[in-house]
Amino acid sequence: DAGVIQSPRHEVTEMGQEVTLRCKPISGHDYLFWYRQTMMRGLELLIYFNNNVPIDDSGMPEDRFSAKMPNASFSTLKIQPSEPRDSAVYFCASSPTGASNEKLFFGSGTQLSVL
Amino acid sequence: ELKVEQNPLFLSMQEGKNYTIYCNYSTTSDRLYWYRQDPGKSLESLFVLLSNGAVKQEGRLMASLDTKARLSTLHITAAVHDLSATYFCAVVPVSGTYKYIFGTGTRLKVLA
Repeated sequence: DAGVIQSPRHEVTEMGQEVTLRCKPISGHDYLFWYRQTMMRGLELLIYFNNNVPIDDSGMPEDRFSAKMPNASFSTLKIQPSEPRDSAVYFCASSPTGASNEKLFFGSGTQLSVL
Repeated sequence: ELKVEQNPLFLSMQEGKNYTIYCNYSTTSDRLYWYRQDPGKSLESLFVLLSNGAVKQEGRLMASLDTKARLSTLHITAAVHDLSATYFCAVVPVSGTYKYIFGTGTRLKVLA
């Protein structure tokens, strides 16, 4: 099992540009989560999906952020337009069933720098 | 809104010493998780605690859960340098969701 795969590993862009982060969850996992990590705010849950359906997006900071999961093996997090304060590490995680004993499996993260 | 707080935020300790990291949360929950993150790396699961009084141990780390006090502890016994990392607790509120909320993290440095 390759684990949760995120791409790109690093992204450097200029303010105002569109940024798309990608995630492939572990096969068979029903839940997918997007987190953002910064020194100031720690790990913030942005949105999570169950069976490709967004369940809770209350953590998405602004309308500039959007997330989709068109199928069970792929999800995207898009920022348009990007701003310097969006600079952070974005993690994708998946979980088998969402049952109480199921832990999250994290990807390696995408380091985003918006100049 | 569920809040999860850890203390201390930073911990520098000598090898061979014992110490405890605390995780307090603000709402009812019977599911608590501990994760480890090495610098520049992803998070990996350490423990899953699912009931009041639950205790799990792995090597020099032992985690416990007191749901009545809304408190979990991560105890480090005879610390070694390899334990240097950031440790996070995460809580899922008892509300029928799978909204894992992470604590602030405790950055541990074990000095040789």
